[in-house]
Amino acid sequence: DAKTTQPNSMESNEEEPVHLPCNHSTISGTDYIHWYRQLPSQGPEYVIHGLTSNVNNRMASLAIAEDRKSSTLILHRATLRDAAVYYCILRDVLRNNQGGKLIFGQGTELSVKP
Amino acid sequence: DTAVSQTPKYLVTQMGNDKSIKCEQNLGHDTMYWYKQDSKKFLKIMFSYNNKELIINETVPNRFSPKSPDKAHLNLHINSLELGDSAVYFCASSLQVGQETQYFGPGTRLLVL
Repeated sequence: DAKTTQPNSMESNEEEPVHLPCNHSTISGTDYIHWYRQLPSQGPEYVIHGLTSNVNNRMASLAIAEDRKSSTLILHRATLRDAAVYYCILRDVLRNNQGGKLIFGQGTELSVKP
Repeated sequence: DTAVSQTPKYLVTQMGNDKSIKCEQNLGHDTMYWYKQDSKKFLKIMFSYNNKELIINETVPNRFSPKSPDKAHLNLHINSLELGDSAVYFCASSLQVGQETQYFGPGTRLLVL
């Protein structure tokens, strides 16, 4: 399985943008980049995913490098509620024999200061 | 309406006991999962079921036995509980196997004394 590397922790100020990096230098051509986050004492929740092009949704934006060896999750205006562990996960669209499992790394713990 | 629900939310029990955790999803999904989050917050897949059939068993001890009575339910029974089983157990579901978004339950916090 292709591996992802994220910083252990990051800090942000409320209402400022946050850029959460993820390195995935061994990504394959069929790997999608997914982001989930886990708020304190809750289950993980889906944030966004993409393959090659940048993606936007109501929660965040995903910027994918041209060589796809890295990506950045962008929270445009961090709120206190965005304090969570953010996980960058690669999912190979061809390997359905993996049963759809998510392989979580250590993630980045984001703290947001008022 | 809660999409993925788990009961109980907390479970404290003695070593050697047998316990069950229940999971229900009302999303109409075909695939359900159990994940374990240990004391170091590391999240790992345990089981995956698709249409009531087991498709992943990630080398989990056979003291853990999942059961899916129907597509909306995936229960986890644990025999002869050990101290190392203390963790948070999350149930999840997705529309199908593969790239589909997974929806997680709130977790069951198990403490074995």
